[in-house]
Amino acid sequence: DGGITQSPKYLFRKEGQNVTLSCEQNLNHDAMYWYRQDPGQGLRLIYYSQIVNDFQKGDIAEGYSVSREKKESFPLTVTSAQKNPTAFYLCASSYVGLQGNQPQHFGDGTRLSIL
Amino acid sequence: GENVEQHPSTLSVQEGDSAVIKCTYSDSASNYFPWYKQELGKGPQLIIDIRSNVGEKKDQRIAVTLNKTAKHFSLHITETQPEDSAVYFCAANRYKLSFGAGTTVTVRA
Repeated sequence: DGGITQSPKYLFRKEGQNVTLSCEQNLNHDAMYWYRQDPGQGLRLIYYSQIVNDFQKGDIAEGYSVSREKKESFPLTVTSAQKNPTAFYLCASSYVGLQGNQPQHFGDGTRLSIL
Repeated sequence: GENVEQHPSTLSVQEGDSAVIKCTYSDSASNYFPWYKQELGKGPQLIIDIRSNVGEKKDQRIAVTLNKTAKHFSLHITETQPEDSAVYFCAANRYKLSFGAGTTVTVRA
């Protein structure tokens, strides 16, 4: 079945540690996205990529980094510079359309907590 | 940038009744408006979407209406069932999606 796989489901970070969240899709989508979700808030865009080897900052990119070496994969690294990393992280993918108006499909998220 | 406001934040309805969630957006150039349903511990699932050249769209018990002049759009769920209990998000798109804060819907049996 086609879909988006995020791993791990739960992740714990120690102070000063970088952690990497995995996102893989087999939907043949060109565009991939990372969102952060906090309780009582909507989703906020961290980074997005519309093509391999290219990505752009979203609204809250500080303290995060990404890479896009393969079409199917878009890993997110939460660096030690992110002072409040506890959140639910969601990865999404879509086809690329004019003005970005293509449906985005989401994985089931990774919940990151601080030890 | 785009600002999306969603109301109400919580909604409790009796099984079989209708539920309505309303959203407003700020950027008149936004042209795509999806609605997502999120169950506990899961990612959002697209349930219906509408584009700016359409005023209304229906899919079984779910309908969405769009008023471009007033810059608001609404989700209507008829004949609610317990499995409709979830958090619902609206979003508006101009180059990127901007999400509302979500509505927690509880359907009472």
